[in-house]
Amino acid sequence: QSALTQPASVSGSPGQSITISCTGTSSDIGNYNLVSWYQQHPGKAPKLMIYEVTKRPSGVSDRFSASKSGNTASLTISGLQAEDEANYYCCSFAGISTVFGGGTKLTVL
Amino acid sequence: QVQLVESGGGVVQPGRSLRVSCAASGFTFSSYGMHWVRQAPGKGLEWVAIISYDGSDKYYADSVKGRFTISRDNSKNTLYLQMNSLRAEDTAVYYCARVLEGYSYVLGGDWGQGTLVTVSS
Repeated sequence: QSALTQPASVSGSPGQSITISCTGTSSDIGNYNLVSWYQQHPGKAPKLMIYEVTKRPSGVSDRFSASKSGNTASLTISGLQAEDEANYYCCSFAGISTVFGGGTKLTVL
Repeated sequence: QVQLVESGGGVVQPGRSLRVSCAASGFTFSSYGMHWVRQAPGKGLEWVAIISYDGSDKYYADSVKGRFTISRDNSKNTLYLQMNSLRAEDTAVYYCARVLEGYSYVLGGDWGQGTLVTVSS
């Protein structure tokens, strides 16, 4: 049940694109196409942005996209907006457990 | 729409017990597995436990195994987390969350607003 590895912080200017990586193992990300990404603003509950590696829930902007290769998943946000500034967590199914990344703080400059 | 409302948080002394609850509405509670996820102040998300739709299967994070018990009462549409032998490091906001549609154990996007548990003398 080791945490997935994410960069602690990333930043970008409005209109730019950023990518957040998430590295796991063959027991979690590498073994299941069940990676999710959550956005969390301070004091709020997490919001699901991506599920099943690449799918967006209804209502989530198509500026958010994601992918997976081997044991690493990635979230890309294009056309950065001020409202995207938040913490982002990757999450993977791992059999009978669930594992999160440590979180990445996105700063929109 | 799906609504999950946690309650029961508060301040508790180390070594004592506390039970938090999650009242569900807006969906057929008895058809869905449910999770507890926690977040220590200023820290990241940590998965705590999962219970199957009928309560027959339960799994825990190593950090809480043997101390915490997840349960549910489908007649009351309520999920519980019984926390025993509490430690300072259990201080966190505790969220309940529903599994993803179509899955038994995969964490989904419907979460409550959380309830804060503070373990302190």
